[in-house]
Amino acid sequence: DVQMTQSPSSLSASVGDRVTITCRASQGIRNNVGWYQHQPGKAPKRLIYAASTLQSGVPSRFSGSGSGTEFTLTIGSLQPEDFATYYCLQHNDYPYTFGQGTKLEIK
Amino acid sequence: EVQLVESGGGLVQPGTSLRLSCTAPGFTFDDYAMHWVRQAPGKGLEWVAGISYYSDVIGYADSVRGRFTISRDNAKTSLHLQMNSLRVEDTAFYYCVKDMYVWGQGTTVTVSS
Repeated sequence: DVQMTQSPSSLSASVGDRVTITCRASQGIRNNVGWYQHQPGKAPKRLIYAASTLQSGVPSRFSGSGSGTEFTLTIGSLQPEDFATYYCLQHNDYPYTFGQGTKLEIK
Repeated sequence: EVQLVESGGGLVQPGTSLRLSCTAPGFTFDDYAMHWVRQAPGKGLEWVAGISYYSDVIGYADSVRGRFTISRDNAKTSLHLQMNSLRVEDTAFYYCVKDMYVWGQGTTVTVSS
């Protein structure tokens, strides 16, 4: 099974900051990675698919990169509504696996 | 916009069974794979099971393989998760997800004696 190691597990930042979250796969998974934002009381929302393609309707301050085993999600300039928990997901093969999550908090 | 509606959650005792369902009123699942994802209290997201449109490719998380069975009825636009031999650690909020993109609002499963 593919393991996804996500870091950091938590992050404190201010509005306007640029932040980066990383996921490392235990084996090569091409670009079969999605990034999700999860806010309390809501269903998760996909931000990025195919490692770097922005989901329709998602602000352009979100971007993804990577291929193979290293993947990153970058938020260019944090907005108040961005404070949430973020997850990577590998969907290269069953069983799919999520990273452990990154809780992004306001400094 | 497609809306997914889960049902069937509840409070059950360890060792018993429960069947979750997911429908998309007024819509079809198209030809996409469907999945179940859960979140235990205080924990992260966990992918549980997935099934292709024709049900020819099915996968399970190691934690549920052999106990849970995913199935779908495309004519009825329904997805199911048969959960047997439930454990306390299966307590979670369960989401139905289309193509790992469209999420339902979820249903709660509590396993407790």
